[in-house]
Amino acid sequence: GNSVTQMEGPVTLSEEAFLTINCTYTATGYPSLFWYVQYPGEGLQLLLKATKADDKGSNKGFEATYRKETTSFHLEKGSVQVSDSAVYFCALAPGAGSYQLTFGKGTKLSVIP
Amino acid sequence: ETGVTQTPRHLVMGMTNKKSLKCEQHLGHNAMYWYKQSAKKPLELMFVYSLEERVENNSVPSRFSPECPNSSHLFLHLHTLQPEDSALYLCASSQSQGRSNYGYTFGSGTRLTVV
Repeated sequence: GNSVTQMEGPVTLSEEAFLTINCTYTATGYPSLFWYVQYPGEGLQLLLKATKADDKGSNKGFEATYRKETTSFHLEKGSVQVSDSAVYFCALAPGAGSYQLTFGKGTKLSVIP
Repeated sequence: ETGVTQTPRHLVMGMTNKKSLKCEQHLGHNAMYWYKQSAKKPLELMFVYSLEERVENNSVPSRFSPECPNSSHLFLHLHTLQPEDSALYLCASSQSQGRSNYGYTFGSGTRLTVV
């Protein structure tokens, strides 16, 4: 079956530090990959996505590259801010004919001034 | 109004009460979902509706009863809940039938407390 594995949190960083949150997946075929973000007290928001190998998704300074050879979709940001404190979820959609997302367990990020 | 709207945002109910959660989407999507998010646990998919038909029910207790009267509205009817049902309940919508690369749009959730 399909699965998503994220690095265990919580992750605590100082402001302006470099962020990496690892995500690897197991799926057949050609899945689409997503990162969602959940700010305190809110629902999940789509942060970025990539639909095929070697695609790079980017938004708000965050980036992730779809690596089929390593089945990975790691989230990176060069300089985090306090406002980036949230829970980040990696997810995959299996591909044509199946529309249901499989989510990772989430990684909580805390950025301190 | 656009996006996915959930009401109420907060709900406190006794174990003998009956209440309903409402979700509404104005995105033209044809699939809708209920998720449960408890502290320190992964997201739990509860129900999936596609084209107003229930296509998945992940072993959810019968005290949770979903209803999807049309493609824009989704309800979760609650009765005789337990304290362990206290959680954030999230609604989401998406396009179905192969257009899987668009992902989901989530509502802000209903924070439910059972006392």
